[in-house]
Amino acid sequence: GAVVSQHPSWVICKSGTSVKIECRSLDFQATTMFWYRQFPKQSLMLMATSNEGSKATYEQGVEKDKFLINHASLTLSTLTVTSAHPEDSSFYICSARVQETQYFGPGTRLLVL
Amino acid sequence: GNSVTQMEGPVTLSEEAFLTINCTYTATGYPSLFWYVQYPGEGLQLLLKATKADDKGSNKGFEATYRKETTSFHLEKGSVQVSDSAVYFCARFSGGYNKLIFGAGTRLAVHP
Repeated sequence: GAVVSQHPSWVICKSGTSVKIECRSLDFQATTMFWYRQFPKQSLMLMATSNEGSKATYEQGVEKDKFLINHASLTLSTLTVTSAHPEDSSFYICSARVQETQYFGPGTRLLVL
Repeated sequence: GNSVTQMEGPVTLSEEAFLTINCTYTATGYPSLFWYVQYPGEGLQLLLKATKADDKGSNKGFEATYRKETTSFHLEKGSVQVSDSAVYFCARFSGGYNKLIFGAGTRLAVHP
């Protein structure tokens, strides 16, 4: 199957700082990537759909100025959590679609102190 | 509407027991169906899929059959191992493959 990587896998930051998470498709090109958030013991919540070369599409209730998404190439999408606060602490997972199947990255755990 | 419903967990089994995790969906048409597995602290891995009615997806001893009559895609394994302990998510695409819709997830714990 297709491989999706994320970096970093863990990040701890101070409140008020910004954190960038990278999502890469390693062996394929992805015009569309997806960013999810997962709270402990819960299902995944789709935050936004990242489209190469255009603006991301955000789900209802997700602040686009808070969660900046850039999809500048066919193999890289980034999620920047701006001015992070403790309530932004979560597990962030990206995904890319290949034909009719979606493949997921290993996730990034963010802890905001 | 489009939704996916999974049986609530946690499911606790002894090693070598038979596993069934129920999944039903609502949809117009016949969407592709998926099972994903999430091991502790990791992202999701595609376990198996079925793209049309009556298809059977299988992988690592797990199976699921796409049954349009009952709109179900139940996950089964004949003999579970401790290493199967994880959270299992049933999923389907929304119309046009724009979004992947997940069930709530079912946590499986297998004890020796």
